[in-house]
Amino acid sequence: NAGVMQNPRHLVRRRGQEARLRCSPMKGHSHVYWYRQLPEEGLKFMVYLQKENIIDESGMPKERFSAEFPKEGPSILRIQQVVRGDSAAYFCASSPRGDTIYFGEGSWLTVV
Amino acid sequence: QQQVKQSPQSLIVQKGGISIINCAYENTAFDYFPWYQQFPGKGPALLIAIRPDVSEKKEGRFTISFNKSAKQFSLHIMDSQPGDSATYFCAASIPRDKIIFGKGTRLHILP
Repeated sequence: NAGVMQNPRHLVRRRGQEARLRCSPMKGHSHVYWYRQLPEEGLKFMVYLQKENIIDESGMPKERFSAEFPKEGPSILRIQQVVRGDSAAYFCASSPRGDTIYFGEGSWLTVV
Repeated sequence: QQQVKQSPQSLIVQKGGISIINCAYENTAFDYFPWYQQFPGKGPALLIAIRPDVSEKKEGRFTISFNKSAKQFSLHIMDSQPGDSATYFCAASIPRDKIIFGKGTRLHILP
């Protein structure tokens, strides 16, 4: 059973460009979470989704950030008009029932 | 009330010693308390988890102690090894809600 798959693993974007991060949950998992981790810091919750629904987006910045988890295909975290402060590791996690979550290896975004 | 407070921020332990990391919470609705281990450049990996109906859970060298009345829980790593050097995160959640993480403890085991 493959784990949570994230891609790309590393992404470099210039200020003002868009970043799209993809996450395929573990097989049978319908709950997806996105977390952001800054260097030497903890894991900050961003958004919690189930298929086609956003359950909790209380950790998402109000502007430039959006997330989706369509009926078919991976979950996407989209960051528009990136700024240097968006540079971070973005982790996706999935869960079968909304309790135990399993993380992917992360996507490292660098904004230059 | 949604916070999980973790201490210490960093910890150095001699090989063979016991590593202890502590966490505290306020929200009594939390009913699931996992610990994650993270190596540099990797995603956090679930280490061990506990629910508040038990006071202790042991898996190999790793033990969670849970004090419901004090709203505290801790991770004990027995016979600590250099390979245990990593960042450890405690967390807490309510079913079908987001998991809230502590700020992490950087553990270094001296060879």
